[in-house]
Amino acid sequence: NAGVTQTPKFRVLKTGQSMTLLCAQDMNHEYMYWYRQDPGMGLRLIHYSVGEGTTAKGEVPDGYNVSRLKKQNFLLGLESAAPSQTSVYFCASSRRPSSYNEQFFGPGTRLTVL
Amino acid sequence: AQTVTQSQPEMSVQEAETVTLSCTYDTSENNYYLFWYKQPPSRQMILVIRQEAYKQQNATENRFSVNFQKAAKSFSLKISDSQLGDTAMYFCAFLAMGNTGKLIFGQGTTLQVKP
Repeated sequence: NAGVTQTPKFRVLKTGQSMTLLCAQDMNHEYMYWYRQDPGMGLRLIHYSVGEGTTAKGEVPDGYNVSRLKKQNFLLGLESAAPSQTSVYFCASSRRPSSYNEQFFGPGTRLTVL
Repeated sequence: AQTVTQSQPEMSVQEAETVTLSCTYDTSENNYYLFWYKQPPSRQMILVIRQEAYKQQNATENRFSVNFQKAAKSFSLKISDSQLGDTAMYFCAFLAMGNTGKLIFGQGTTLQVKP
């Protein structure tokens, strides 16, 4: 099992450019999440999905869009990148919340917006 | 809304000694989970230990243990016999039961283990 993978690992964008981050999981998890990590602020939830075809906003959704067309994939899009979106992005997945709620994280994508 | 606070941005400990990382949280929920995640320089998030709020017994995983004080809303992590490989950033996280699995993270504590 590869677990949770993220593509790409690093990216540099210019202000106004667009890009899509891909998250894939092979654990048949229902739930998937996108977080961003900024210094001194921990990880904050951007968007999440509770199943194929569903998405919902998290704590900091502005400037991002997501799609979950397939159960194993969760895409995060930046339509017009801004320097404030410079961050490390993590994808995670989990089973439906139950007595064991571990989220499995991908390796992260470091995005720099100039 | 729930909040998680880690008031120690940086800590250091000598190899083989014990260190305690602090975490407090605020919630009106009665049923929830608490977690400690480790993030080494590789950036990979690794679950260290979890605690179910309905369990009074503190969780333990080898050299890692927690001091869970539900009334005080405190959840500290104790690392015994610290090893160089414990050098990492540590995040405390909260999850309300019955929620959509949304984790609320603290700001993180950077731990340096010195030889």
